[in-house]
Amino acid sequence: EPEVTQTPSHQVTQMGQEVILRCVPISNHLYFYWYRQILGQKVEFLVSFYNNEISEKSEIFDDQFSVERPDGSNFTLKIRSTKLEDSAMYFCASSWGGSSYEQYFGPGTRLTVT
Amino acid sequence: KQEVTQIPAALSVPEGENLVLNCSFTDSAIYNLQWFRQDPGKGLTSLLLIQSSQREQTSGRLNASLDKSSGRSTLYIAASQPGDSATYLCAVGPSFMDTGRRALTFGSGTRLQVQP
Repeated sequence: EPEVTQTPSHQVTQMGQEVILRCVPISNHLYFYWYRQILGQKVEFLVSFYNNEISEKSEIFDDQFSVERPDGSNFTLKIRSTKLEDSAMYFCASSWGGSSYEQYFGPGTRLTVT
Repeated sequence: KQEVTQIPAALSVPEGENLVLNCSFTDSAIYNLQWFRQDPGKGLTSLLLIQSSQREQTSGRLNASLDKSSGRSTLYIAASQPGDSATYLCAVGPSFMDTGRRALTFGSGTRLQVQP
């Protein structure tokens, strides 16, 4: 069964460093998303991406964040200058769109900022 | 702003019991509702998706119902097993035609422990 994959599974970085989290969505899906979950808190929406542009973003997704689909398969989230509060599990999701909006989630990347 | 609440926050039951997890949401303008399972430190596994026009969905021992007008959904797990131990998350999808949004809003989850 097709699945969303994410790399790396765990990333440790120092405050102020740039990180890139990578995702491979399900191949025929058209909509891509990033969510995050700070330890012990709810899963929160960050951004959605369709047709090579951001279609929606939350107030969390400020200028420190960017997304890109550099080729036909990868979808990346870049954090320009990490802060301690960026430590969280980051989930990528994809959906086909149309009348079926079921979102399929990847296993997550645990980001630890020290 | 949509708010999703899940009750109870934690539940411990003996193996074999039938149980009900509750989810409520404040804005009834939803397109669908998804139930997910999350194992500790892991990703989200989609269990059931209910479209707003549906009343319930079933998959194996799981049955999810939706009452959009009252802003409630329940997840019924029959004959619970130790392998069902996990956190169960409810997430609502907004009415895209009304809002142009697709982002899911999540509840904080119910942590289920099934004792052998």
